[in-house]
Amino acid sequence: EVQLVESGGGLVQPGGSLRLSCAASGFTFSSYWMTWVRQAPGKGLEWVANIKQEGNEKYYVASVKGRFTISRDNAKNLLYLEMDSLRPEDTALYYCARDPSEWGSNFFDYWGQGILVTVSS
Amino acid sequence: DIQMTQSPSSVSASVGDRVTITCRASQGIASWLVWYQQKPGEAPNLLIYAASRLQSGVPSRFSGSGSGTDFTLTINSLQPEDLATYYCQQTNTFPLTFGGGTKVEIK
Repeated sequence: EVQLVESGGGLVQPGGSLRLSCAASGFTFSSYWMTWVRQAPGKGLEWVANIKQEGNEKYYVASVKGRFTISRDNAKNLLYLEMDSLRPEDTALYYCARDPSEWGSNFFDYWGQGILVTVSS
Repeated sequence: DIQMTQSPSSVSASVGDRVTITCRASQGIASWLVWYQQKPGEAPNLLIYAASRLQSGVPSRFSGSGSGTDFTLTINSLQPEDLATYYCQQTNTFPLTFGGGTKVEIK
């Protein structure tokens, strides 16, 4: 059974940093593109970043470029999102999700339950 | 960036009704479109990919159509468990973008 479990969220002050983790199991993690998608409270979905299987190709939404870094550790089946210079508008539930195809289809067939990040003083 | 516009933003229908949700892309995306269902308090669930292909395990009352800029998600014979918000997403170009969502309520 495919499972994605996020951790590392919490309350952080504006300008602060946080690192999210996503533990993957039930599939060959190193064979799939992975992604982070976020959802502000009561709002819609926003794609944040994607990473290729080897970690050598990454894409970001403009609003987080230069502040967030997506990475992965295929030996540990872990996906990360390093978030720096956090702003109140980054407050959201952050989901990790799996892209179902090896070449990167840019949609997502398995999602974690999400982890809440709150940026507030 | 490609803007995705969904309508209506909400719809109320009775059990057994047919519900249609539309999604319009700001530029042509061929069939590079997917639909998700998000039930209250849950993560999104993939329903349709490549505009019209039903994801494994999804009930056949869900169907998708369209290409280019205009797309439709249809729920035939609405069921109580279909209470959810539905999102379209274009998979054609980075940044990947979602529609604003359509909330489906049961009368």
